[in-house]
Amino acid sequence: GENVEQHPSTLSVQEGDSAVIKCTYSDSASNYFPWYKQELGKRPQLIIDIRSNVGEKKDQRIAVTLNKTAKHFSLHITETQPEDSAVYFCAASRPRVGAQKLVFGQGTRLTINP
Amino acid sequence: DVKVTQSSRYLVKRTGEKVFLECVQDMDHENMFWYRQDPGLGLRLIYFSYDVKMKEKGDIPEGYSVSREKKERFSLILESASTNQTSMYLCASSHLYRGASGQHFGDGTRLSIL
Repeated sequence: GENVEQHPSTLSVQEGDSAVIKCTYSDSASNYFPWYKQELGKRPQLIIDIRSNVGEKKDQRIAVTLNKTAKHFSLHITETQPEDSAVYFCAASRPRVGAQKLVFGQGTRLTINP
Repeated sequence: DVKVTQSSRYLVKRTGEKVFLECVQDMDHENMFWYRQDPGLGLRLIYFSYDVKMKEKGDIPEGYSVSREKKERFSLILESASTNQTSMYLCASSHLYRGASGQHFGDGTRLSIL
C-alpha cells in the first residue's frame, strides 16, 4: 500500500523567513496531495492541495510543488508569521471506486520565532 | 459550513470496557472516516464507510469495529479497550464525488484507557 514519509518532524524558523516541508510517497498511482494544518487543540484543516496534472500551486504565502518522477511534493510558506505555528500534515490519495482514502505523513511541528 | 461533531472531547475508560465514539455530520456526506492520531505517526485510518451499512477496513482496524446505521452518524467501537488504544481519535466526512479532496474533520476525542 501507499506510504508517505514527511520531513522534518520539527522545524523552527524566524518570523519573516521561509519554511519548507517535504514529503515522499511510494504509490505512483497517487494523484491527489493535500496539506493540512492543525493548530494546538484544534481540528486539521485543509490549507492547499495539488493534483498530479499540475506541478505547482500557490495561494498567497503558501505554495505546493509536485515532482511526479521523483514522487515527492513540498509545502513552501513564505514571510512566515506567528500564526503559522502549527503541525502540518501532508497526505496522498490514489483514485479508487467508492471513498478515496488519504494516507498521511507523520507531521511537522512548525514553530515561528518572533 | 460543514460541521462534523464528535460526542466527547475527552473520555476516560478502563481496560476491558466496550467504548463507543460517536460522530455526526450535517452535510449529507456519503463518506465518513475514523482516524487515530499519535505523536510521530500522523493520522492513521482505522475504518471508513461510503454508504449506510457499508464499511471498509483502513490501515489499523485491529481491535476496532464501526457502525453506520444512518447516513449522518458513524460510530467507532472498541470491543474490549486496551491501554494501547489510548490516543486522539478524529472523525472526518466527505462527499462521495469530491472524494479525498473534501475531507472535513471533527475536533477529536482524546481517549484514555486506564
